[in-house]
Amino acid sequence: DTGVSQDPRHKITKRGQNVTFRCDPISEHNRLYWYRQTLGQGPEFLTYFQNEAQLEKSRLLSDRFSAERPKGSFSTLEIQRTEQGDSAMYLCASSLFWQGGKNSPLHFGNGTRLTVT
Amino acid sequence: AQKITQTQPGMFVQEKEAVTLDCTYDTSDPSYGLFWYKQPSSGEMIFLIYQGSYDQQNATEGRYSLNFQKARKSANLVISASQLGDSAMYFCAMREPGGDTNAGKSTFGDGTTLTVKP
Repeated sequence: DTGVSQDPRHKITKRGQNVTFRCDPISEHNRLYWYRQTLGQGPEFLTYFQNEAQLEKSRLLSDRFSAERPKGSFSTLEIQRTEQGDSAMYLCASSLFWQGGKNSPLHFGNGTRLTVT
Repeated sequence: AQKITQTQPGMFVQEKEAVTLDCTYDTSDPSYGLFWYKQPSSGEMIFLIYQGSYDQQNATEGRYSLNFQKARKSANLVISASQLGDSAMYFCAMREPGGDTNAGKSTFGDGTTLTVKP
């Protein structure tokens, strides 16, 4: 278990630029989640993959956000035309399939901190 | 929709004493999971303890225990014998059951910042 890794750890970009983040989940986990966390708040769900299929996307997510998991392994999150309001910590998590009644917590990466100037 | 409420933005506890962090939840699903995570200043979210909605007994993991009161929809975290390293942000989360139509995603509260005093 090498853990969930995210790259980069920090990203500073100018408003209007595009950014892309990468997440490598725990290899045997088929579920991958992206969350966004702003200071003083809990993580907010963005989107979710089961293997390579993106099965749910938050209604809060604008069309500027897109995520992929092309081979069911690593995932990328792209933000186009960044805005200052996009500044946040972007967390990736992976887990096993959970049907309820089973202990299958989320395993989080260290996150990518995005600052839009 | 699922909702998690943590009403204590900040808590202080003396080293070696016990502390309770409150969490209430709201859901219409009969099957769900309740989790607590710890987030130190370094930023990594660490899983602490789990309670299933059908579990009859309160969960325990070392110094952590979960006071689960289903009728009141509360799932409070109890940390016994607090240590300086327990100073962190603590999040309560509820996970919906996964399946063909459900993501099994987790909804988080806004957290409680715990400070352990020496």
